[in-house]
Amino acid sequence: DAGVIQSPRHEVTEMGQEVTLRCKPISGHDYLFWYRQTMMRGLELLIYFNNNVPIDDSGMPEDRFSAKMPNASFSTLKIQPSEPRDSAVYFCASSRTGGADTQYFGPGTRLTVL
Amino acid sequence: QKEVEQNSGPLSVPEGAIASLNCTYSDRGSQSFFWYRQYSGKSPELIMFIYSNGDKEDGRFTAQLNKASQYVSLLIRDSQPSDSATYLCAVKVSGGGADGLTFGKGTHLIIQP
Repeated sequence: DAGVIQSPRHEVTEMGQEVTLRCKPISGHDYLFWYRQTMMRGLELLIYFNNNVPIDDSGMPEDRFSAKMPNASFSTLKIQPSEPRDSAVYFCASSRTGGADTQYFGPGTRLTVL
Repeated sequence: QKEVEQNSGPLSVPEGAIASLNCTYSDRGSQSFFWYRQYSGKSPELIMFIYSNGDKEDGRFTAQLNKASQYVSLLIRDSQPSDSATYLCAVKVSGGGADGLTFGKGTHLIIQP
């Protein structure tokens, strides 16, 4: 079975541009998580979904960030407008259930905003 | 605010020795504890999880949990160069929709051949 799929793997953009990151969770997993990793702040939870419904978006840094999950096999994280401080690796993870179930991480998208 | 603290390292251990990684957490409501390994440029991968006080062993790895002291550790026996990576401690508070993980910043482990 394929793991979590993310695209693009690398994204370089200029400040002010819109960025869209994509994620396909593992089939059958009801939970999807978006994390961001930087050297300064480590790995932080941004938002997570259960059965396509956003449950907790308290980690979303500001209104420039938005996330959607239109169906069980696809989610997007959008940044508009992007800023240099958004440069980070963005990971998507999924799990079959919530609670203490294992979260499986995708390969990540390395975002650089110039 | 939930916090997870780890010594950033680097922690240098000779090959074949025991590597000991430590983590403390601030939220007493934390119920589940995870250790992830992350190689440079790669995504985190789960090594072990533990829920109950005491030790849990899986091959060369042992997780230890002490909820009273809010402390969790990971021991790696017979350390191998391939164990060189960053080890992330993560905690989760059960219930109430709190399903996301709170991660420490990780400990960089170097196994010297």
